[in-house]
Amino acid sequence: QKEVEQNSGPLSVPEGAIASLNCTYSDRGSQSFFWYRQYSGKSPELIMSIYSNGDKEDGRFTAQLNKASQYVSLLIRDSQPSDSATYLCALTLPGAGSYQLTFGKGTKLSVIP
Amino acid sequence: EAGVTQSPTHLIKTRGQQVTLRCSPISGHTSVYWYQQALGLGLQFLLWYDEGEERNRGNFPPRFSGRQFPNYSSELNVNALELEDSALYLCASKMFLTNYGYTFGSGTRLTVV
Repeated sequence: QKEVEQNSGPLSVPEGAIASLNCTYSDRGSQSFFWYRQYSGKSPELIMSIYSNGDKEDGRFTAQLNKASQYVSLLIRDSQPSDSATYLCALTLPGAGSYQLTFGKGTKLSVIP
Repeated sequence: EAGVTQSPTHLIKTRGQQVTLRCSPISGHTSVYWYQQALGLGLQFLLWYDEGEERNRGNFPPRFSGRQFPNYSSELNVNALELEDSALYLCASKMFLTNYGYTFGSGTRLTVV
């Protein structure tokens, strides 16, 4: 099983809708979780971090973490065409990997005007 | 505050040649990470440097190497280039032994022909 799994998409949502992006992980010892946004041809940009179970909101973005079920999700409310990008889930692994990030392959989001 | 800077932006090399990529971290960040993002493969961890030492290494052959200088800038060297080395090479930085997310540079696009 891969360490971080994401549906590659594309996920298409109409403008103004809620986009829901999901990520599952295999190592129960993972402690820190991140969402990055990557526009085509650009480098990843950190948009959310979450460390404890529950929800964390920042503007139109909400990250949700459930360690018991080993998933983390990102909700984007009032989706805009400018949100069209690939969203990368990243986490830290226990031990030697606790200070470096392991990334999923990303979910491509397309917001349709 | 200046971000993570990488040079060069683009590079075209011939198979068998050697290449050096450079990275300057954000001021105050001592950890530098290198990732390879080849088409369809996601971000693959290459190397982690801090305090001039290699802290961890990903599953890449020895022809991928690097170093970190006293000012915390870093170089990634790739010897005996192969066609499959064509990728976006990303450098990221953060403060040592923190569990914050990285800040990425804009990357170096390497094409091997």
